Amino acid sequence: ETGVTQTPRHLVMGMTNKKSLKCEQHLGHNAMYWYKQSAKKPLELMFVYNFKEQTENNSVPSRFSPECPNSSHLFLHLHTLQPEDSALYLCASSQDKEGRVYFGAGTRLSVL
Amino acid sequence: DAKTTQPPSMDCAEGRAANLPCNHSTISGNEYVYWYRQIHSQGPQYIIHGLKNNETNEMASLIITEDRKSSTLILPHATLRDTAVYYCIVRVVGTASKLTFGTGTRLQVTL
Repeated sequence: ETGVTQTPRHLVMGMTNKKSLKCEQHLGHNAMYWYKQSAKKPLELMFVYNFKEQTENNSVPSRFSPECPNSSHLFLHLHTLQPEDSALYLCASSQDKEGRVYFGAGTRLSVL
Repeated sequence: DAKTTQPPSMDCAEGRAANLPCNHSTISGNEYVYWYRQIHSQGPQYIIHGLKNNETNEMASLIITEDRKSSTLILPHATLRDTAVYYCIVRVVGTASKLTFGTGTRLQVTL
């Protein structure tokens, strides 16, 4: 248990569906991240939030829409995804001065 | 962040020490060396980090060369549960600076 909880753990959706991934951290951290890991590829950073403000968007398609209502919660809203978006989506958090990043267990997403 | 180079794979017999090397020849003075590992389909797990001194914790030891251009992660008594992909990352501490993952080293621990 890392203190970062992701739900759901598994998600299957059609290309016309809208779904959301949720991440919650119980560590009091100020920074939160979304990463994507496709099969046999390195983790790719998608978004960075610091004190609820988005500080980085790594050219992520608009069909992925992040939301950070407070420093403890992070969402990734999904709509009109493509089969190639099937991947493991990982949420993480950190506290600036410490530098250590804590990851959740991930959501395994399959787009049909 | 500075780039790192790691061998793609290594094998280690259970009970023996696993020594995982990492080159980071362009590391800056304010960049730390971090090690994470990812067991199949799980989120990456922090192992250890250091700036210039050798570090040890309950999981591993980190040896950083004097010129800081390379480091070695040591798992003193590898077990089957240590089979994972190990990532060496350098990053600055003090900002919401993200971790940039490479391809890492796939460590296979065998009986």
